[in-house]
Amino acid sequence: SQQGEEDPQALSIQEGENATMNCSYKTSINNLQWYRQNSGRGLVHLILIRSNEREKHSGRLRVTLDTSKKSSSLLITASRAADTASYFCATRTGGFKTIFGAGTRLFVKA
Amino acid sequence: DVKVTQSSRYLVKRTGEKVFLECVQDMDHENMFWYRQDPGLGLRLIYFSYDVKMKEKGDIPEGYSVSREKKERFSLILESASTNQTSMYLCASSLFSSGVETQYFGPGTRLLVL
Repeated sequence: SQQGEEDPQALSIQEGENATMNCSYKTSINNLQWYRQNSGRGLVHLILIRSNEREKHSGRLRVTLDTSKKSSSLLITASRAADTASYFCATRTGGFKTIFGAGTRLFVKA
Repeated sequence: DVKVTQSSRYLVKRTGEKVFLECVQDMDHENMFWYRQDPGLGLRLIYFSYDVKMKEKGDIPEGYSVSREKKERFSLILESASTNQTSMYLCASSLFSSGVETQYFGPGTRLLVL
């Protein structure tokens, strides 16, 4: 199975609400990244958190990392209709590959 | 801004045809990747390349080959297209800096094999 597994698979919220997505992984990592994919498009890098960091902020995004639980969460505050997209976590171990999870589909209703 | 372009957004081919998907990046990145994306399966790595004329198999290389003759261009080839290769194909290039690799993706090619 994939190194990164997102949860939930799909999420539907009202505009203005916060959206939380989780990612679990299996092996030790050097860093974890979150990407966004708008429908039918390529992925866009959002934010990176290193293995020695616990929390990172970027605008309305907040990422946490718990290496003891091998999990990360992405929080989008005050969501907007434009945040509707799929969100993927990506992990990189000591090897050469970045491994993407299956993604969480977020739908923000206006 | 990094720009990764793919030759086609949509492509329809017949079973048995040879299919070429082209990817070009303009940021002098060493690394380039081809993924396929299918519902519920996320991104699966087909092939990647860390240098010109160099290629490495990813997780699902069967039925595919690649070519990297120039640093900026990475081509994916379906030697004999089959219906199970109907998918979204994503190309990416990456920069590796300070222990971090960030990938930059093209818009994708949605391939339908009839």
